Amino acid sequence: EDQVTQSPEALRLQEGESSSLNCSYTVSGLRGLFWYRQDPGKGPEFLFTLYSAGEEKEKERLKATLTKKESFLHITAPKPEDSATYLCAIRPLFGGATNKLIFGTGTLLAVQP
Amino acid sequence: KAGVTQTPRYLIKTRGQQVTLSCSPISGHRSVSWYQQTPGQGLQFLFEYFSETQRNKGNFPGRFSGRQFSNSRSEMNVSTLELGDSALYLCASSRGGNAETQYFGPGTRLLVL
Repeated sequence: EDQVTQSPEALRLQEGESSSLNCSYTVSGLRGLFWYRQDPGKGPEFLFTLYSAGEEKEKERLKATLTKKESFLHITAPKPEDSATYLCAIRPLFGGATNKLIFGTGTLLAVQP
Repeated sequence: KAGVTQTPRYLIKTRGQQVTLSCSPISGHRSVSWYQQTPGQGLQFLFEYFSETQRNKGNFPGRFSGRQFSNSRSEMNVSTLELGDSALYLCASSRGGNAETQYFGPGTRLLVL
C-alpha cells in the first residue's frame, strides 16, 4: 500500500537554528513528491515539486531534496514566520490519469525568537 | 491571478442534514480535487473531477458526492451528516496533467452538532 510517513511529528527550534524534516514514502513507482506549508485555519500552500531522485529545489530558507525512499526539507536559519505545519504528499506512478495525492500527517514546526 | 476560492468558509449543521460546498478553481484549471482534513486522519482524498467527469474516488461512503460544471467550478455534497463528518474540506485545482501541482483553497470548516 502506498503511504507517506513524516518525522518528527513536532519540532521546536530557536531562531537561526537549522534543521531538517523527513518524509519517507512507500510506493511502487513515484510520479511526483510535493511539499506544502499549512498555517492554522488555512489551506496548504504549495512549496516544491520533486520528480526524480537526486533532484533539489530551493526557495528562500527552504531546500527540498529527494532520494528513492525519502525526501528532506532543510530549513536554514529559520525565522518565527517559518512556524507552520509542513506537509509532504506523493503522487504514485500507477493509478491512471488522476492527480490524487497521498499525504503524510505533517510536521508541526515552531520557531521561537 | 486569483486563487482557488471556496464557499462558504464556515458551516454549522446538525446530524441528518445535508450540505453543499462550492469550489471555484484557478482560471484555466480543469481538474478539481476534494480532500477532507481531520486532526486524527490528516488529509484524505475524496474525489477528483476533470472536464465534468469524476476521474478518481477515495474510500468514502456514498453519502459523499460531487460534480463539476462546464466552467470547471465544482460542488461536493454530503447527505445525512454524521458527527464524524466535522472537518476542514479542502478543494485543490490543477491544469489536469499527471503530477501537476495542485493549488489549494482556504477550505470550508464544517461542524456537525
